Amino acid sequence: SQTIHQWPATLVQPVGSPLSLECTVEGTSNPNLYWYRQAAGRGLQLLFYSVGIGQISSEVPQNLSASRPQDRQFILSSKKLLLSDSGFYLCAWSVLKETQYFGPGTRLLVL
Amino acid sequence: GDSVTQMEGPVTLSEEAFLTINCTYTATGYPSLFWYVQYPGEGLQLLLKATKADDKGSNKGFEATYRKETTSFHLEKGSVQVSDSAVYFCALRAQTGANNLFFGTGTRLTVIP
Repeated sequence: SQTIHQWPATLVQPVGSPLSLECTVEGTSNPNLYWYRQAAGRGLQLLFYSVGIGQISSEVPQNLSASRPQDRQFILSSKKLLLSDSGFYLCAWSVLKETQYFGPGTRLLVL
Repeated sequence: GDSVTQMEGPVTLSEEAFLTINCTYTATGYPSLFWYVQYPGEGLQLLLKATKADDKGSNKGFEATYRKETTSFHLEKGSVQVSDSAVYFCALRAQTGANNLFFGTGTRLTVIP
């Protein structure tokens, strides 16, 4: 069966520090991968999605970036965090345009 | 553009009460519709889905019917339990284009014994 992992589970970072969140999927090949953010009191917002290695589409312009160095690995990064980057980051996968399945999430607090 | 409007919470119910969480959508064509649930401290889990008009999705006693005429996908459960306390998100995926999900803002449900 398929499994999706995210780490770390919780992260507290100072403003201006770099960020790297990792997501990996097991049990499937060539999945579509997604990064969402859930800000406090708000719904989920799609940040990036990828249909293959090295293929990244950005939905929202910001100081975050994403990379997909391997088929089942999706990384969310920032060179300098802002206070507004605080939130709950969720990775998801799907087979083509089928149902999306979400990971456990990373809670990020920028101070 | 595509969007989802979801009933705002929080909603507090007594155990065994009837639950309705309203969800309406705006989209062209025939989107797929979903309800996801987020239990405390966890990520999102797919609760149910419907991919065409008049389909009824159901799971764990929850139901939602895809109503094209009213552009709605209301979530219902006849008798809620304390373990149903969570945040519920309505979402849609457009019929064409990328596989993006558009989410509502979520409705927090608390069930008290």
